[in-house]
Parts: sequence; structure tokens; C-alpha cells
Amino acid sequence: EVQLVESGGGLVQPGGSLRLSCAASGFTFSSYWMSWVRQAPGKGLEWVANIKQDGSEKYYVDSVKGRFTISRDNAKNSLYLQMNSLRAEDTAVYYCARVPYGEGAYFDYWGQGTLVTVSS
Amino acid sequence: SYVLTQPPSVSVAPGQTARITCGGNNIGSKSVHWYQQKPGQAPVLVVYDDSDRPSGIPERFSGSNSGNTATLTISRVEAGDEADYYCQVWDSSSDPSGVFGGGTKLTVL
Repeated sequence: EVQLVESGGGLVQPGGSLRLSCAASGFTFSSYWMSWVRQAPGKGLEWVANIKQDGSEKYYVDSVKGRFTISRDNAKNSLYLQMNSLRAEDTAVYYCARVPYGEGAYFDYWGQGTLVTVSS
Repeated sequence: SYVLTQPPSVSVAPGQTARITCGGNNIGSKSVHWYQQKPGQAPVLVVYDDSDRPSGIPERFSGSNSGNTATLTISRVEAGDEADYYCQVWDSSSDPSGVFGGGTKLTVL
């Protein structure tokens, strides 16, 4: 059974940093592109970033470029999102998701999400 | 950047057919995917590549895509189908990115 479990969310002050983790199981993690998708409270879904199987290619939504870094450790079956210079508008539930093929396409499995709140 | 437009809400009586649209410039040339999200839960993929269904998704869910509009059709709507629905494409331009529609709240009357 495919499982994605996010952790690392919490309350952080504006300008602060946070690192999210996603533990994957039930599939060959190193064979798939992976993604982060977020959802602000009461709002819609927003794609954040994608990373290739070996980490050699990464794509980001414009609003996080230069502030967020997606990475992975295939030996640990884990996906990460390092978030720096956080802003109030980054407040959201962050979901880890699997991309079944290609660099993008769609997201076939999702984690339960972890809440990040940016507030003073 | 590519924009997807969905109606904020759609209402339908039980047993009827719900159609949720997703508009985008020449969206028919892209693969469209649809997600269902119930309150407090993670999204669930219900249709991918315009009209394919993942295993476990009822045949009542179907999709189509042509011209500037993609459509998610839910036949014989049930109370349990009440949820938010999002369309999504992957924009493979010079700066690849995922794009979601704004979401449609399906209300079962």
C-alpha cells in the first residue's frame, strides 16, 4: 500500500524557516518524480514544487522561487521541503504527492498534509 | 502562466447528473486531471488523462476534454459525492509547472 506521511509543520514567525519531511513507503520511491502541493485555509490547491527521481531537475511555482528548496533522499525514502524567508501567505496545509510518470502529469497518491502557520 | 477557470459552485439533486467545467486556452491540447476533496481530507484523484479512472473510482465519474473546455461528469449523483472538485494540468512550457483550477463546490440538494 502506498503511504506518504508528512511531518515538520508548525507555527513560525515571518522571516523564519521550516523544513518539511515526507516519508514514503509501499512503492519504489527512487523511481518517481515527487511533488509538494499546498492549500491555504479555505482556499484551493496550489502546486509548489517537483523533483526528479535523482534530484537533478527541480521546478517551483514563481511565488516560492529563491525561498523554498525541494530535495530528496532515496536511501531514506524521504522527500523534503526547506522553506526560508517565510511569509504570512505561505500559511497552508502542505501535501506531499507522487507523480506517476514524467516530470509532471498528475498526482496519484497524496499524504494527509502538515499545517504550516506563519504568524507573529 | 496558464490559467484554469472553474465555476465556484454546482448544485444537483440526488440521482441526477452533475457537470463541472474547467476552462483554459486550448485546453483540449493538454491532459486534464480531476481531484475530489472532502472537508478535512487530502485530495483524491478521480479522473486522469482527460477520461481515465483510477482503480476504485466508480464508473459514475467520467471526463471529457475538447477545445477550450474540459468537463467532469458525475452520473447518478449520491450524497457522498458532495465535495470540492479541482481540475489540473501540467504546463510543459519553458518553465514547467503544475496548474490547478480554483475548485468547484458540488452541493447535493
